[in-house]
Amino acid sequence: DAGITQSPRHKVTETGTPVTLRCHQTENHRYMYWYRQDPGHGLRLIHYSYGVKDTDKGEVSDGYSVSRSKTEDFLLTLESATSSQTSVYFCAISVGADYGYTFGSGTRLTVV
Amino acid sequence: AQSVTQLDSQVPVFEEAPVELRCNYSSSVSVYLFWYVQYPNQGLQLLLKYLSGSTLVKGINGFEAEFNKSQTSFHLRKPSVHISDTAEYFCALSSGAGSYQLTFGKGTKLSVIP
Repeated sequence: DAGITQSPRHKVTETGTPVTLRCHQTENHRYMYWYRQDPGHGLRLIHYSYGVKDTDKGEVSDGYSVSRSKTEDFLLTLESATSSQTSVYFCAISVGADYGYTFGSGTRLTVV
Repeated sequence: AQSVTQLDSQVPVFEEAPVELRCNYSSSVSVYLFWYVQYPNQGLQLLLKYLSGSTLVKGINGFEAEFNKSQTSFHLRKPSVHISDTAEYFCALSSGAGSYQLTFGKGTKLSVIP
């Protein structure tokens, strides 16, 4: 989507290695989110941010950490990747929930 | 606590037939409701949203949804589907003004059969 980019788009990594996914926005939106999408589970919130250096956990935060040192960047780190973290990861941005979210195109992560 | 239930995980429908994708919600406060569409290998796009006012909401690509407070539902409809409507559809809600988080349903896969 215009104004939000995720990198990389695809990644294959080995079990036990750290992995960082990046979400970059040019919209100056306050809120940023990381979701994972898995068959049968829909979208599940991992972490979210409500400002620079202000983050909080979602429903599936174990094994993940985030950082937001600038308004435009929200990083998701898998501290030690496991096969259960194979998934498609989506970043989203928002000015407030009444406006809905704008989603990135996703990162397909495979942990082997 | 609030929740969203999409009653059908998969809906097959023939091309040019009408379709309804069902969404029910549970919330103790006023809500804003959304439908998103996800085409294969893409992110989610906003189809339409209900914030207040008219209970019939029109969105992109000929879709519409009706907010029914008494039934706590927000069903998505299209009178005549096209092959290009094949996608996964997600219903979502937020707990009104000041909220910053959406709660999503698990999605409904719409397959349009030629």
